[in-house]
Amino acid sequence: GAGVSQSPRYKVAKRGQDVALRCDPISGHVSLFWYQQALGQGPEFLTYFQNEAQLDKSGLPSDRFFAERPEGSVSTLKIQRTQQEDSAVYLCASSRLAYEQYFGPGTRLTVT
Amino acid sequence: AQSVTQLDSQVPVFEEAPVELRCNYSSSVSVYLFWYVQYPNQGLQLLLKYLSGSTLVKGINGFEAEFNKSQTSFHLRKPSVHISDTAEYFCAVSDRGTNAGKSTFGDGTTLTVKP
Repeated sequence: GAGVSQSPRYKVAKRGQDVALRCDPISGHVSLFWYQQALGQGPEFLTYFQNEAQLDKSGLPSDRFFAERPEGSVSTLKIQRTQQEDSAVYLCASSRLAYEQYFGPGTRLTVT
Repeated sequence: AQSVTQLDSQVPVFEEAPVELRCNYSSSVSVYLFWYVQYPNQGLQLLLKYLSGSTLVKGINGFEAEFNKSQTSFHLRKPSVHISDTAEYFCAVSDRGTNAGKSTFGDGTTLTVKP
């Protein structure tokens, strides 16, 4: 069946631009997670949704980062006024059971 | 707070040799433990997980891992590797409570299998 999809796969933004990254979870998966993976490092938790409710956003690095999941399915991670340190791969994962996450291919963001 | 330490950043090994990728964790609560594999330009794929019960866990592609509570370790092993096992491997931990989905990852181990 279809897995988690993310778009775009690659995004180049000039410093100061706003970007929006999309995640389409597996159909029926209640939970959705966003992670940030810097080059050469493991993923770091950003935020977590259960249906449309954002239950944990403790990992968002600044108030420039905002995530939403208005209908409990597709999610968008928005980064305002991008900075070079935002360059990373942004991974989305969905799950039916909280401890079994299925990851998408990620969006590689490069801020120039 | 939880943390994960993957003790080897790179592991080179010859094809058909055994391999062990080491992972230690720290946590003040009971945890779930995971190993993921990541191929270039792809997302993470779950290899195996420890939730409870037997401390020896078998996963996909012939991998297995052993949970050692006293040593807070969860080392990944494979008795005979293939070229196709070349990838990045991540160990992860999440607590058993309401934040069960919030995983903390190690920095990864690059496994390179040479012919």
